[in-house]
Amino acid sequence: ELKVEQNPLFLSMQEGKNYTIYCNYSTTSDRLYWYRQDPGKSLESLFVLLSNGAVKQEGRLMASLDTKARLSTLHITAAVHDLSATYFCAVDNSRSQGNLIFGKGTKLSVKP
Amino acid sequence: DTGVSQNPRHKITKRGQNVTFRCDPISEHNRLYWYRQTLGQGPEFLTYFQNEAQLEKSRLLSDRFSAERPKGSFSTLEIQRTEQGDSAMYLCASSRDRNYGYTFGSGTRLTVV
Repeated sequence: ELKVEQNPLFLSMQEGKNYTIYCNYSTTSDRLYWYRQDPGKSLESLFVLLSNGAVKQEGRLMASLDTKARLSTLHITAAVHDLSATYFCAVDNSRSQGNLIFGKGTKLSVKP
Repeated sequence: DTGVSQNPRHKITKRGQNVTFRCDPISEHNRLYWYRQTLGQGPEFLTYFQNEAQLEKSRLLSDRFSAERPKGSFSTLEIQRTEQGDSAMYLCASSRDRNYGYTFGSGTRLTVV
């Protein structure tokens, strides 16, 4: 059974600092997705990572994928308050028709 | 492209009642998914359609749950004889291709009292 673990689950940061969220998964998969969710809202797609070594950047966020280590990272550079949200990684369950297995999410709070 | 639309946004129902939710995917997306999300958790897969065919169902989808996508366009999710444990956010997502990712709707928040 495919399992996805994120850490940390809670992260309190000061504005201007850097930090990394980790996403480990238990079986082979070559597609990984990062989503952002604001309280009471739906999920906003951030990154789609499709191959080993993939790196994507958007603003202060950068995501990478190492399929051999079964690890993805979401790096936050010089955090600002607007980045406060819950971040989910999701792994494509290749054994099925492509449903996603989500981690529990990392709740990020950026404080002045 | 108006995104994935879900109705209603909120539903409060008494235990034992039936409820139905609707999802309108992005028009050119032939894949449609239903997920359920409870407080503090990531979404959990319920079922998947490709066009009008329901190709996969999770073990979470008990026999009180049924989903349809009659013409390969919109989809409905019905829960019969609701229980308090059914209280959750029900999310619909659509996709053209797994390589392009999945677009989620705003969800329907169900509260069973």
